[in-house]
Amino acid sequence: GAVVSQHPSWVICKSGTSVKIECRSLDFQATTMFWYRQFPKQSLMLMATSNEGSKATYEQGVEKDKFLINHASLTLSTLTVTSAHPEDSSFYICSARDSLRNIQYFGAGTRLSVL
Amino acid sequence: GENVEQHPSTLSVQEGDSAVIKCTYSDSASNYFPWYKQELGKGPQLIIDIRSNVGEKKDQRIAVTLNKTAKHFSLHITETQPEDSAVYFCAATPGAQKLVFGQGTRLTINP
Repeated sequence: GAVVSQHPSWVICKSGTSVKIECRSLDFQATTMFWYRQFPKQSLMLMATSNEGSKATYEQGVEKDKFLINHASLTLSTLTVTSAHPEDSSFYICSARDSLRNIQYFGAGTRLSVL
Repeated sequence: GENVEQHPSTLSVQEGDSAVIKCTYSDSASNYFPWYKQELGKGPQLIIDIRSNVGEKKDQRIAVTLNKTAKHFSLHITETQPEDSAVYFCAATPGAQKLVFGQGTRLTINP
């Protein structure tokens, strides 16, 4: 199957610092990527839809100034958690849609721990 | 908008038996229904999908059925093995839009 690479897989940071997470589609072009947050034993919660070359579309209740999304190329989207706080600690997962086949593939996720 | 309900939330079966997970959706315009398997600490992995122009699709021990009239689709796993233990998510989408996920089913295969 298609591969979506997400880095880092695990990050610990101090409160008040910013963390950047990268999501790459390795063998297909993705005009659309998605960022999810997942709490323990819960389903995936869509945070935002990232469109190449344009602004991301955020879901209701998600702070766009706190979760900065950049999708500068057809294979790379980044999520930056700015001024992180302990309540931002979570499992963040990206996915990329294969535009040709309209299939969505997921990255391995990033576990963020804010101290 | 679309709403997806998934049942059961937990499922425990004996190794070798079959497991069935069911989902219902609300938007009749939905035409793509993927199933994902998520192991602990990992991202979801696409295991099978079905589009609205077919009623059933099979890939080795995994099959998915779709009933458009009743707006429900199901995942069937036969001859279950311990490595099938994971959380399974169904999803639905009306075309090239965001996926709407079910709540997930934690499947445990007992040896």
